[in-house]
Amino acid sequence: DGGITQSPKYLFRKEGQNVTLSCEQNLNHDAMYWYRQDPGQGLRLIYYSQIVNDFQKGDIAEGYSVSREKKESFPLTVTSAQKNPTAFYLCASSRDSGQAYNEQFFGPGTRLTVL
Amino acid sequence: GIQVEQSPPDLILQEGANSTLRCNFSDSVNNLQWFHQNPWGQLINLFYIPSGTKQNGRLSATTVATERYSLLYISSSQTTDSGVYFCAGFSGSARQLTFGSGTQLTVLP
Repeated sequence: DGGITQSPKYLFRKEGQNVTLSCEQNLNHDAMYWYRQDPGQGLRLIYYSQIVNDFQKGDIAEGYSVSREKKESFPLTVTSAQKNPTAFYLCASSRDSGQAYNEQFFGPGTRLTVL
Repeated sequence: GIQVEQSPPDLILQEGANSTLRCNFSDSVNNLQWFHQNPWGQLINLFYIPSGTKQNGRLSATTVATERYSLLYISSSQTTDSGVYFCAGFSGSARQLTFGSGTQLTVLP
């Protein structure tokens, strides 16, 4: 069954800790994305990757880091430098990031709460 | 980057009613997507519609790229249609999808 999986579904973190959110896709998509959603708002782009070993900052990259060592995996680390990390995090992928084939599909999300 | 505005922000309907949701964007977009976010947070793809009109069951969408807007029509609404509807425009120059703030739809039985 093709799709995007995210884990964990819920994550609790103490202040000052780094945490890593997992995102895996088996759609053979080149491009992957991380978004953040705050209550009552739309999604904002954190980072995206067009291809393995390449990634670009989005609108709100400060306090986050990513890696793209494999095509199917795009983990997001929320560092202690992120001032307000409590949010819903969504991962997405698309066939590519150009003007064609860029329809994005989303995983089920991870809810991060900082205690 | 582009700005995406959605209206109305909230909409309450009686089951069986029809509705129209609107999405305006500040600049040209290469593609436009409509999503439904269910109560568990999952974003469901509804339409990928850079221009023209598409239909899928009770839902249809129209994008007029030259006038920078898109419309989502929901006919004969059902309680399961409740949730938040987002539109998002893809800017080729920025290579990213920019989301509107969403329309919260509540369909009452």
